[in-house]
Amino acid sequence: DTGVSQNPRHKITKRGQNVTFRCDPISEHNRLYWYRQTLGQGPEFLTYFQNEAQLEKSRLLSDRFSAERPKGSFSTLEIQRTEQGDSAMYLCASSLKERSSGNTIYFGEGSWLTVV
Amino acid sequence: KQEVTQIPAALSVPEGENLVLNCSFTDSAIYNLQWFRQDPGKGLTSLLLIQSSQREQTSGRLNASLDKSSGRSTLYIAASQPGDSATYLCAVKAGTASKLTFGTGTRLQVTL
Repeated sequence: DTGVSQNPRHKITKRGQNVTFRCDPISEHNRLYWYRQTLGQGPEFLTYFQNEAQLEKSRLLSDRFSAERPKGSFSTLEIQRTEQGDSAMYLCASSLKERSSGNTIYFGEGSWLTVV
Repeated sequence: KQEVTQIPAALSVPEGENLVLNCSFTDSAIYNLQWFRQDPGKGLTSLLLIQSSQREQTSGRLNASLDKSSGRSTLYIAASQPGDSATYLCAVKAGTASKLTFGTGTRLQVTL
């Protein structure tokens, strides 16, 4: 098991372009999360899936953002008409559905987005 | 709305010192609390997870405590090493199906 994998690791795009990030969670994990982190700040929650169902979305996830997890395995996060304020690191994380003991959430290495 | 605060924002200590990082949260109705480590430009590595019913967890030189009623957690690092230099983040979870709410982190530098 190689852990949570994210691609691409870095993306530079011009303002107004669309970008898509991919996340491959740990294989047996049924929960998948997307977070966004800017310099000097902690990660902020964007959305989460249990299997293929998107169960929660943050108000940070404007209508330019869309996330999918079509077969309950990998997930994609698409940002349309990018703005400079979208520049950040986008983190994906996965975990098993909670048991009484609680489950650790495992993060990927993140995808850096720079909008110029 | 849950708010998580970490103090200090930055800390520099000489190698070998014991140190304590602090985390406070405004809503004591939490499910669990996790401490993470983040190296520059990298993702997060989970260090310790404390359930709301627990008081502390230990892993090697790390010990995390939780006082849910007062909304506080501490991360104790014993005999610090230069390799411990990183940003340490705490995060709380309100329920089984909810998101993590993070603090802004403490940036630790351990000098030779």
